[in-house]
Amino acid sequence: SQTIHQWPATLVQPVGSPLSLECTVEGTSNPNLYWYRQAAGRGLQLLFYSVGIGQISSEVPQNLSASRPQDRQFILSSKKLLLSDSGFYLCAWSEAPRKLLFGSGTQLSVL
Amino acid sequence: AQTVTQSQPEMSVQEAETVTLSCTYDTSESDYYLFWYKQPPSRQMILVIRQEAYKQQNATENRFSVNFQKAAKSFSLKISDSQLGDAAMYFCAYRSANSGYALNFGKGTSLLVTP
Repeated sequence: SQTIHQWPATLVQPVGSPLSLECTVEGTSNPNLYWYRQAAGRGLQLLFYSVGIGQISSEVPQNLSASRPQDRQFILSSKKLLLSDSGFYLCAWSEAPRKLLFGSGTQLSVL
Repeated sequence: AQTVTQSQPEMSVQEAETVTLSCTYDTSESDYYLFWYKQPPSRQMILVIRQEAYKQQNATENRFSVNFQKAAKSFSLKISDSQLGDAAMYFCAYRSANSGYALNFGKGTSLLVTP
């Protein structure tokens, strides 16, 4: 069965520090991968998606970047965090238009 | 870009009663998918139900059913026999079947279930 792993679950970082959030998928190959962000009390905003290794599409210009070094690995990064980067980050994957499954999320607090 | 609107920020229902959550969307496409996701306090996103636009029959999953009105671009979720465990944020989402790969989400409806 397919599973998605996302870590860490919580992260507290100072302003200006770097960020690396990792997401891996098991039990599937060549999935579409996504990073979403959920600000407090709001809906989900698509940040990046990837349809293959090294293929990244950005939906919102911002302080963040994404990379896909392996087929089932998706990384969200920042060189210098801003206060506005705080939020709940969700990784998701799909292998068909009718199915999108989410990881358990990372709560990022930038102080 | 397709937009999804959930006009009810909060809803309340008594246990064992029925509640309907509203969702409308804006699109010029004819082929797409619609979803309802549940986000409990754990914040895990859980797929509740999905509907393919080409299907006229409304989707049903146990106590959850949808009223899909394609011409009106409406996709409401009905929860029957509400349970305390149904308390959560509910998000409506749209996905194109032809272009792009991501879901566009509404802002969510917070459902409170009272004993």
